[in-house]
Amino acid sequence: DSGVTQTPKHLITATGQRVTLRCSPRSGDLSVYWYQQSLDQGLQFLIQYYNGEERAKGNILERFSAQQFPDLHSELNLSSLELGDSALYFCASSVGHPLSTDTQYFGPGTRLTVL
Amino acid sequence: AQTVTQSQPEMSVQEAETVTLSCTYDTSENNYYLFWYKQPPSRQMILVIRQEAYKQQNATENRFSVNFQKAAKSFSLKISDSQLGDTAMYFCAFQLSNAGKSTFGDGTTLTVKP
Repeated sequence: DSGVTQTPKHLITATGQRVTLRCSPRSGDLSVYWYQQSLDQGLQFLIQYYNGEERAKGNILERFSAQQFPDLHSELNLSSLELGDSALYFCASSVGHPLSTDTQYFGPGTRLTVL
Repeated sequence: AQTVTQSQPEMSVQEAETVTLSCTYDTSENNYYLFWYKQPPSRQMILVIRQEAYKQQNATENRFSVNFQKAAKSFSLKISDSQLGDTAMYFCAFQLSNAGKSTFGDGTTLTVKP
């Protein structure tokens, strides 16, 4: 158990809908990262937050948005869902001073299925 | 941009044998970190080992060790005394020292056979 929690574990929805994925980082971690893993693919970095502020952005679609709240939990919002958005979405956290590198610990992921 | 290449999509090894998984990366930066993550059928991402680029000594964690060749931009993972529980997909990842995001390879699926 990495200490990172993600809810829900599974999510099934229809095209055009909107969903929210939630992540709670390890105690003491200030950085949260979101990754997308499509079937049998590697992980694609979406976005990073540090202490409530956006720090880095990857290949995140405009239909997707995220935020980190004062209690440091983060939410990833996916809207106007398409079949191709079906994937495993991981959250990771780290101690995360933005000018240093430290190890990221991953949550169990949320499996999103868009029908 | 940094890229990570894992040239072996699938590998297999007999239980108790040794196997090496390959990873190469491309960067013009000098300060970075490299990781191997394991993803078993449960799909959980588990950190296996980490290497700092400024360290010449290869990292080891019990049965797992790396061969880090900075000039060749190579970072292979050696698993000794393979166990059935090592069956998983293994991802190599690269992280710049001033940026938190990691760049992952496409993974190598390892099967340990009894």
